[in-house]
Amino acid sequence: DQQVKQNSPSLSVQEGRISILNCDYTNSMFDYFLWYKKYPAEGPTFLISISSIKDKNEDGRFTVFLNKSAKHLSLHIVPSQPGDSAVYFCAASTRPRDDKIIFGKGTRLHILP
Amino acid sequence: ETGVTQSPTHLIKTRGQQVTLRCSSQSGHNTVSWYQQALGQGPQFIFQYYREEENGRGNFPPRFSGLQFPNYSSELNVNALELDDSALYLCASSSASQTKSFYEQYFGPGTRLTVT
Repeated sequence: DQQVKQNSPSLSVQEGRISILNCDYTNSMFDYFLWYKKYPAEGPTFLISISSIKDKNEDGRFTVFLNKSAKHLSLHIVPSQPGDSAVYFCAASTRPRDDKIIFGKGTRLHILP
Repeated sequence: ETGVTQSPTHLIKTRGQQVTLRCSSQSGHNTVSWYQQALGQGPQFIFQYYREEENGRGNFPPRFSGLQFPNYSSELNVNALELDDSALYLCASSSASQTKSFYEQYFGPGTRLTVT
């Protein structure tokens, strides 16, 4: 029973273009969502988060959009840079300070020169 | 400021054996969470320790146990190893005293455990 789904195992995007990573969830009790980035041989790094009371959160080149009615969120990276090539994990929890975070399987992003 | 470190980097064990993995928290952090990441999967929450007490647990059997020490470093112990325990084990630290959420956890590089 996968509560957080990232249906695209991989994505290739030209450098300078927009990267859009998608995530769907099934648990309507989730109210806090996060994106993590992971390079090989390193642990995941927190990227950006969004609370369910918002529909958009922006931090530099990274923007996360939340559509609660569709139980869908997306991460936009503009413009995409070579250093963005990594695995991106979508994650969710039911409370802002919950100890249990549910991760998706991840999407591998390749930025092409 | 020292980041989260884990030891060992890699480990090979035989089914039925016991293993101990170690994690040193980032300086100033009092909360440690452990995750299991199987191949092709996202990290799965095992448990969390806050000030030396277990503060939440995921769907893992009792043979997965942990400790947190006064210096906030932590151990993950797994008894009676099974082949399916082969995975990357990640440790993450955070500080409950921050105004920010628990979620800004800082992950270590992980320990790759192989059970044969």
